[in-house]
Amino acid sequence: GAVVSQHPSRVICKSGTSVKIECRSLDFQATTMFWYRQFPKQSLMLMATSNEGSKATYEQGVEKDKFLINHASLTLSTLTVTSAHPEDSSFYICSARGLGTSGGSYNEQFFGPGTRLTVL
Amino acid sequence: DQQVKQNSPSLSVQEGRISILNCDYTNSMFDYFLWYKKYPAEGPTFLISISSIKDKNEDGRFTVFLNKSAKHLSLHIVPSQPGDSAVYFCAASAQDTGNQFYFGTGTSLTVIP
Repeated sequence: GAVVSQHPSRVICKSGTSVKIECRSLDFQATTMFWYRQFPKQSLMLMATSNEGSKATYEQGVEKDKFLINHASLTLSTLTVTSAHPEDSSFYICSARGLGTSGGSYNEQFFGPGTRLTVL
Repeated sequence: DQQVKQNSPSLSVQEGRISILNCDYTNSMFDYFLWYKKYPAEGPTFLISISSIKDKNEDGRFTVFLNKSAKHLSLHIVPSQPGDSAVYFCAASAQDTGNQFYFGTGTSLTVIP
């Protein structure tokens, strides 16, 4: 199956700093990448959808100036949490969909392992 | 507004028995449904899917049933194995929303040996 990696898997930072999370599709070209956020015991909440080479589409309530998304290539998308605060502490997961992916559906998404962000 | 709901946060089942996980949705435009399995500290992995033109899809020990009139789907695992212990998320999407996924809150399944 298609493999998606995320880096780092865990990050701890001080309040006010910026953190960059990378999402890579390892064996396929991801035309679309999605960024999710998961709070404890809650569902995955879609933050934004990004298509390669174009601006990301943010969900309602997600600050685009705080959560910067760049999808510069067909295998890499980055999420930068700017001026992070403790309330940004969460589990961030990316997923990818694209060309050459195996699986049973045209709209199947392949998920990365997630990044645990803790802001002190 | 939670469009996809999993009302049981946890479920315990004896090994060898059937596990039934339930999911309800509110948006009648959803036309594709998926189940994902998630282990701690890992991302979700795809398990099984069903489109709205079907009412049942089976893959080995896993079967998903869709009841469109009730806006309800369920995942049956039989026989359940200890390795099935994980959090299961159902997700729904609709073509006219750009295939965005809407996830339920998950059900933590524990299979007791």
